[in-house]
Amino acid sequence: AQSVTQLDSQVPVFEEAPVELRCNYSSSVSVYLFWYVQYPNQGLQLLLKYLSGSTLVKGINGFEAEFNKSQTSFHLRKPSVHISDTAEYFCAVSEGGSYKLIFGSGTRLLVRP
Amino acid sequence: GAVVSQHPSWVICKSGTSVKIECRSLDFQATTMFWYRQFPKQSLMLMATSNEGSKATYEQGVEKDKFLINHASLTLSTLTVTSAHPEDSSFYICSPRRGTDTQYFGPGTRLTVL
Repeated sequence: AQSVTQLDSQVPVFEEAPVELRCNYSSSVSVYLFWYVQYPNQGLQLLLKYLSGSTLVKGINGFEAEFNKSQTSFHLRKPSVHISDTAEYFCAVSEGGSYKLIFGSGTRLLVRP
Repeated sequence: GAVVSQHPSWVICKSGTSVKIECRSLDFQATTMFWYRQFPKQSLMLMATSNEGSKATYEQGVEKDKFLINHASLTLSTLTVTSAHPEDSSFYICSPRRGTDTQYFGPGTRLTVL
């Protein structure tokens, strides 16, 4: 069965510092990988996704993620964060061809001035 | 981006009553609707999947008679929590899918059952 682990429930960081949000998954078949962001009182928004091809995926708002099949990871990174990046971030996986998303428990990114 | 609304955003009800949550895709037609539930500090858990005009498919462990899903049109889906109990208190999120393209998410409905 698929599962997604986000080891950090909260990541505090100072403004303009780099950040990495970790995501590991388990699956016995090929997967699609996603990162979503949720701002307060809003629905989840897609940041980026990996379906195939280049393992380095660039998304919106300066975020990027790298798919590492050997380590079954899909960590999210941003070289310099802003206060406005404060939000909840969810990693998700779906088996190739399936519409069903399996989510991690989320990581709250807290950017401090 | 696409606009998805949920109503109500927050509801408190007494144990034993039923609550209906509406999800609307305001500027696109949703061929498939997913309903998720999120308990505090936990993941979003898929409850059921429905296609317009068809009966919903429920995930294992989700009671279909308790969580009634209606996907009567391509822009409206409803989730009714029947005979709600305190353990049903949760954050319910709809997720309409446009064709085979992109999945969007509503802002969620927080249900508190007293």
